[in-house]
Amino acid sequence: DQQVKQNSPSLSVQEGRISILNCDYTNSMFDYFLWYKKYPAEGPTFLISISSIKDKNEDGRFTVFLNKSAKHLSLHIVPSQPGDSAVYFCAATPYSGAGSYQLTFGKGTKLSVIP
Amino acid sequence: DTAVSQTPKYLVTQMGNDKSIKCEQNLGHDTMYWYKQDSKKFLKIMFSYNNKELIINETVPNRFSPKSPDKAHLNLHINSLELGDSAVYFCASRSVQETQYFGPGTRLLVL
Repeated sequence: DQQVKQNSPSLSVQEGRISILNCDYTNSMFDYFLWYKKYPAEGPTFLISISSIKDKNEDGRFTVFLNKSAKHLSLHIVPSQPGDSAVYFCAATPYSGAGSYQLTFGKGTKLSVIP
Repeated sequence: DTAVSQTPKYLVTQMGNDKSIKCEQNLGHDTMYWYKQDSKKFLKIMFSYNNKELIINETVPNRFSPKSPDKAHLNLHINSLELGDSAVYFCASRSVQETQYFGPGTRLLVL
């Protein structure tokens, strides 16, 4: 049972354009969401996150949007750069306080930015 | 300086063998994790330790045993390796900002 779904396994975008990566979740208990970026032969690296009390969080070229009613979030990258080519994982957790918490990951979307 | 390091990076071994993967973090985090990324590319949590105590233990065979000698280390020992154990294993540690920092992964191939 996939609680976090990334339905697009791959995405190709021209350099300079906007990349939009989508993520859907089913667990209503999730209240904190993260995006990770992964290059081949490396571990995932944290990119940006959003709490359920917000609907948007921006960090430079990266913006994450959260639509709680639709249980949907998206990552926008603008402008896209060739160095953004990687696999992007959406992750969610039901616990945003102190202490340990458990991330549930999507399957990832491979982004290719074409120069 | 590598924040979360794992050794070895690659591990090729025969079925039935026992092997260990080591993880160290120099970030001063209290919580460490082990994840498995299987052939379908899902990243799934296996274990979580907080201050050397087991917090999360997902449905993982008893052949997998995590050991945390101190806050900075969380090692994974696997007994009687099976073909299905072939995967990439990631160690991670957690910051107070609630993000997890991942190691580079250990690629395990069981023949």
